Amino acid sequence: GQQVMQIPQYQHVQEGEDFTTYCNSSTTLSNIQWYKQRPGGHPVFLIQLVKSGEVKKQKRLTFQFGEAKKNSSLHITATQTTDVGTYFCAGRDNYGQNFVFGPGTRLSVLP
Amino acid sequence: DTAVSQTPKYLVTQMGNDKSIKCEQNLGHDTMYWYKQDSKKFLKIMFSYNNKELIINETVPNRFSPKSPDKAHLNLHINSLELGDSAVYFCASSRSGGTNYGYTFGSGTRLTVV
Repeated sequence: GQQVMQIPQYQHVQEGEDFTTYCNSSTTLSNIQWYKQRPGGHPVFLIQLVKSGEVKKQKRLTFQFGEAKKNSSLHITATQTTDVGTYFCAGRDNYGQNFVFGPGTRLSVLP
Repeated sequence: DTAVSQTPKYLVTQMGNDKSIKCEQNLGHDTMYWYKQDSKKFLKIMFSYNNKELIINETVPNRFSPKSPDKAHLNLHINSLELGDSAVYFCASSRSGGTNYGYTFGSGTRLTVV
């Protein structure tokens, strides 16, 4: 079945440094979503990417969908302590009815 | 106004007991889900319901049974609880099976089986 992987599993950065998490799928995706879960909280939808090579920005966050639609990345510029949390990607292929979540990347930001 | 609400927020119970978790959404979404998040933060789908029909059951034990009295509610009933059932359970909802829209999650129910 479809598998979604993310690296790194954990990332510790100093406030102000950049951060990137990578998402890879075993199958070609029709679309991919990104979520953020704060410690003790619930996943919150950030964005969806649909087109091959698509790039979307939300303030300091940049999301990219690979040309082959099998990978995606989330880049945060100049991290802040409010960025702390676990970032999940979730992908859906052409055969799946629902999105499969990756294992997440847990981000710690040291002030 | 809470979009997806779950009750209870915390549930501590003994092995062998039967318990239910309730979920309600006021977003008018047509699909609802139950996810299990283990201690390593893996989010695994358990069930999804679309218009009161079960459309996915990800081989969870049949001790778990979803019940949807209407489109706005999807409750989770668990029989004969086991230690391994301890986790955070999230309810979520979406429009059109999540194809073009993100999932909206509830705040979670932390289940501890002792």
